[in-house]
Amino acid sequence: NAGVTQTPKFQVLKTGQSMTLQCAQDMNHEYMSWYRQDPGMGLRLIHYSVGAGITDQGEVPNGYNVSRSTTEDFPLRLLSAAPSQTSVYFCASNRQGPTTDTQYFGPGTRLTVL
Amino acid sequence: KQEVTQIPAALSVPEGENLVLNCSFTDSAIYNLQWFRQDPGKGLTSLLLIQSSQREQTSGRLNASLDKSSGRSTLYIAASQPGDSATYLCAVNGNKLVFGAGTILRVKS
Repeated sequence: NAGVTQTPKFQVLKTGQSMTLQCAQDMNHEYMSWYRQDPGMGLRLIHYSVGAGITDQGEVPNGYNVSRSTTEDFPLRLLSAAPSQTSVYFCASNRQGPTTDTQYFGPGTRLTVL
Repeated sequence: KQEVTQIPAALSVPEGENLVLNCSFTDSAIYNLQWFRQDPGKGLTSLLLIQSSQREQTSGRLNASLDKSSGRSTLYIAASQPGDSATYLCAVNGNKLVFGAGTILRVKS
């Protein structure tokens, strides 16, 4: 049982490039979410999904796309990277949703946009 | 809009000391409150989850309390150890998690 896995661990992009951050969980959790963590600001919700085929926006969705074709995978796409997207990105999952049980976090992807 | 504040931002204590981390939030309409631990360069690990109907939760040397009406939670760590050194994050759940900026704890041996 690997829990929540994220790839890559580190990534450097140039402004305007696109890329996909991968997230997978093997716990059969319905709810998955993406956060970004910036110094002094805590974690902020980017997008979330309550199940396969269903996604919704969080607090800071601009510049990011998501899809949820399977229960296990929830990739985050940066369409045209900007320096403001330099951050640490965390994927999380939980069984039913954050209103009932705790979230499990992946190890994070540290992204730098030059 | 829910806002979560954690005080202090950083704390350094000698080994063995008991300590309290504070979390305050502006909107008391919450489902639960969670405390997480984050080690440098790592993800978050859940420590305690308190449902809105509960007053406290305990796990080993950790005790978290919740006073929803005043918008406050505390995390009490008993007999601190160097291995407790980490960032502690409070997250409040209205139907999405809103995080505080964290308290960086250093326990000196």
